[in-house]
Amino acid sequence: DTEVTQTPKHLVMGMTNKKSLKCEQHMGHRAMYWYKQKAKKPPELMFVYSYEKLSINESVPSRFSPECPNSSLLNLHLHALQPEDSALYLCASSQVHETGGFTGELFFGEGSRLTVL
Amino acid sequence: QKEVEQNSGPLSVPEGAIASLNCTYSDRGSQSFFWYRQYSGKSPELIMFIYSNGDKEDGRFTAQLNKASQYVSLLIRDSQPSDSATYLCAGGTGGFKTIFGAGTRLFVKA
Repeated sequence: DTEVTQTPKHLVMGMTNKKSLKCEQHMGHRAMYWYKQKAKKPPELMFVYSYEKLSINESVPSRFSPECPNSSLLNLHLHALQPEDSALYLCASSQVHETGGFTGELFFGEGSRLTVL
Repeated sequence: QKEVEQNSGPLSVPEGAIASLNCTYSDRGSQSFFWYRQYSGKSPELIMFIYSNGDKEDGRFTAQLNKASQYVSLLIRDSQPSDSATYLCAGGTGGFKTIFGAGTRLFVKA
């Protein structure tokens, strides 16, 4: 069983809808990530939270809005998406090294497959 | 531009053979390297990591790192059809960014 849980597993939305993807981890990790993955491509980093603070935003369009309510939860709010945003959205978590970076080992959830019509 | 390069494959091996997956990286500052396995339609799963030059073995898997040549490999011994997946090589510099290669598709023929 995965210790990083994502909901929903599948989401279909129109371009005017507002929806959210949710992620929860029970591994005690202090860093959480959103990745986007298109078919036959590697995961692309979107956002990183470390100790509930946004550490990295990879120039993601504002129609994607992340939120980290606490150390176990990570949300991705979606609004006015485009069909090209259809992809597998992966949440991941990792330990944070004592020097502040991360140990490198990412633990992924099963992903939320998003289709934008 | 920091890059991790892999042959996209597909790499096809018969059941029971050794599968050899390779990757090279451009950033000499990379300190740690990872192999993720991704089945079709599923999320990546970490199967091996290596930080030091040399070999690291875990069951049927051996990761090899040569920092001088900027080369990382994964050997899968006694390959099984269940090993058929895409294998992502990834490098980290200690920050929060992981650089993924494009992945190598492996097919193990029964």
